[in-house]
Amino acid sequence: EVQLVQSGPELKKPGESLRISCKGSGYSFPNYWIGWVRQKPGKGLEYMGIIWPGDSGTRYSPSFQGQVNMSVDKSISTAYLQWSRLKASDTATYFCVRKYINGWNFDYWGPGTLVIVSS
Amino acid sequence: QSALTQPASVSGSPGQSITISCTGTSSDVGSYNLVSWYQQHPGKAPKLIIYEGSQRPSGVSNRFSGSKSGNTASLTISGLQAEDEADYYCCSYAGETLYVMFGGGTKLTVL
Repeated sequence: EVQLVQSGPELKKPGESLRISCKGSGYSFPNYWIGWVRQKPGKGLEYMGIIWPGDSGTRYSPSFQGQVNMSVDKSISTAYLQWSRLKASDTATYFCVRKYINGWNFDYWGPGTLVIVSS
Repeated sequence: QSALTQPASVSGSPGQSITISCTGTSSDVGSYNLVSWYQQHPGKAPKLIIYEGSQRPSGVSNRFSGSKSGNTASLTISGLQAEDEADYYCCSYAGETLYVMFGGGTKLTVL
């Protein structure tokens, strides 16, 4: 069974750094793009980007390029999403997603990690 | 870049059919047969219900169907059931710069 297990909720202050994680299991982790989708409270879904575990190649949305950093450790089948300086506007739920092997859709989703940034 | 355009809400009675539209441009929906649809219940992660415009993943009810005409994709749910009440999002590939665009989401209410 394919599973994407995400790290727990976070409460951080503006300006702090943060890294959240997503561990894939039940499939060949190196052979699928894995990525992130943001959902602000009460709002819609936003594509952030995907990363290829084989060579860490990325496909960022222009809206998130330079704002976050995606990385992956294929030895432990885990993807990461990192911020160096959080802002209040980063408050959202972040879903880890697996990109279907062909095409551009996301066939498996993690449960989401709630990040609250507040002073 | 703007999100794909969906109606904010639709409603229907049990047993009826409803259609949710998703309007993009010739740079996304109109150029690729790569529209997908996701169902999201409150507090839950989205679930893929249609991909490549009209394909259903294994395990998804055949009451869900997808289509496309020009720059507009559509999701039809037939034989509405109470469990279909959820938010629905369309999504399209948008080329090698934007990659993916989501619609703003549609709240389906089953009366």
